[in-house]
Amino acid sequence: EVQLVESGGGLVQPGGSLRLSCAASGFTFSSFEVNWVRQTPGRGLEWISYISTSGRTIYYADSVKGRFTISRDNAKNSLYLQMHSLRAEDTAVYYCARGSGFDSWGQGTLVTVSS
Amino acid sequence: DIVMTQTPLSSPVTLGQPASISCRSSQSLVHSDGNTYLSWYQQRPGQPPRLLIYKISTRFSGVPDRFSGSGAGTDFTLKISRVEAEDVGVYYCMQATQFPRTFGQGTKLEIK
Repeated sequence: EVQLVESGGGLVQPGGSLRLSCAASGFTFSSFEVNWVRQTPGRGLEWISYISTSGRTIYYADSVKGRFTISRDNAKNSLYLQMHSLRAEDTAVYYCARGSGFDSWGQGTLVTVSS
Repeated sequence: DIVMTQTPLSSPVTLGQPASISCRSSQSLVHSDGNTYLSWYQQRPGQPPRLLIYKISTRFSGVPDRFSGSGAGTDFTLKISRVEAEDVGVYYCMQATQFPRTFGQGTKLEIK
């Protein structure tokens, strides 16, 4: 069974940092592109980053470019999102989603940026 | 960026009746490879989104055949032939033709 499990969310102060992880199982992780998507009640679903199978091709949404870094470790079947300079508007549930078709999603991890 | 616009934003329907959601993109979603990367997702309350349809009209594994997708270019439609109680939730379209990937605002399907 395909599984994606996010972790690392929590409460962080504005300007702080957080690292999210997404553990994959049930499929050959190294064969799939992966994405981070976030969701807020006010802004719906927002794609924020993509990484290719090898990790050599990466894209970011303008809203996080320069502050967030996506990476992956195929040996550990894991995807990461390093977040710096966090703002209140980064408060959201963060999902990892598999493939260019977003065909499988994790349950999400909540990030709250607040003082 | 490609803007995805869904209508309606809310759709009250009677059980057993059809439902239809429209999604319009601000530019053509035809990729240089000839495919159109328009997908539909269902998000039930308290759950992550779930892929229903990809490349306009291909149902994902396990998706009931009462769900169908159609359209071309910039205009797309998701149809549910006979709404069931388990179909309640929010439906999103998304384009994966170019970066940044963009979603529609979501359409809330509720039972009358």
